[in-house]
Amino acid sequence: DIQMTQSPSTLSASVGDRVTITCRASQSISSWLAWYQQKPGKAPNLLIYKASSLESGVPSRFSGSGSGTEFTLTISSLQPDDFATYYCQQYNSYWTFGQGTKVEIK
Amino acid sequence: QVQLQESGPGLVKPSETLSLNCTVSGGSISSYYWSWIRQPPGKGLEWIGYIYYSGSTNYNPSLKSRVTISVDTSENLFSLKLSSVTAADTAVYYCARGGERWPPDYWGQGTLVTVSS
Repeated sequence: DIQMTQSPSTLSASVGDRVTITCRASQSISSWLAWYQQKPGKAPNLLIYKASSLESGVPSRFSGSGSGTEFTLTISSLQPDDFATYYCQQYNSYWTFGQGTKVEIK
Repeated sequence: QVQLQESGPGLVKPSETLSLNCTVSGGSISSYYWSWIRQPPGKGLEWIGYIYYSGSTNYNPSLKSRVTISVDTSENLFSLKLSSVTAADTAVYYCARGGERWPPDYWGQGTLVTVSS
């Protein structure tokens, strides 16, 4: 099984901050990685697929990078609507999600 | 715009079988993969399995012995059955479009299923 480890688990930030979340895979997953945003009581929303491709309709302040075992999600300038929980997901072999990173207001 | 809607009992007794349907509207179920994902209250996401419209399936190894996913192309829906449930299966269950090398891009709103006597 491929394990996905996100860090940090919680992140406190202010509007306008640059935010980076890291996701590590227990073995190489090439670029088969996606990022999701989830707000309370709602389904997750796909932000990034294939590690760095922006899903249609997602603001350009979101970006993804990495390959192999280490990946990052960056929000270039945090907006009020961005306070949420973010998950990474590998889809190289079956599917596995990271444990989530909650982005809180500082 | 593709829309997905889960339906089924919100309460299931321990040892019984959880059954959910996901109806797809705004597009055909054909030519895509369809998946089930769950989220226990206050916890993270867990993949359950996915099915291709042709009927081929792939399941989470940790749940494989208890899971069956099926598809009905004539009704444009797919279904989940999870047998021998316990309190640990209490979760919000989501259906979504995606599978294999296609991450879920359209999701249902989710339905809470509680396992309790």
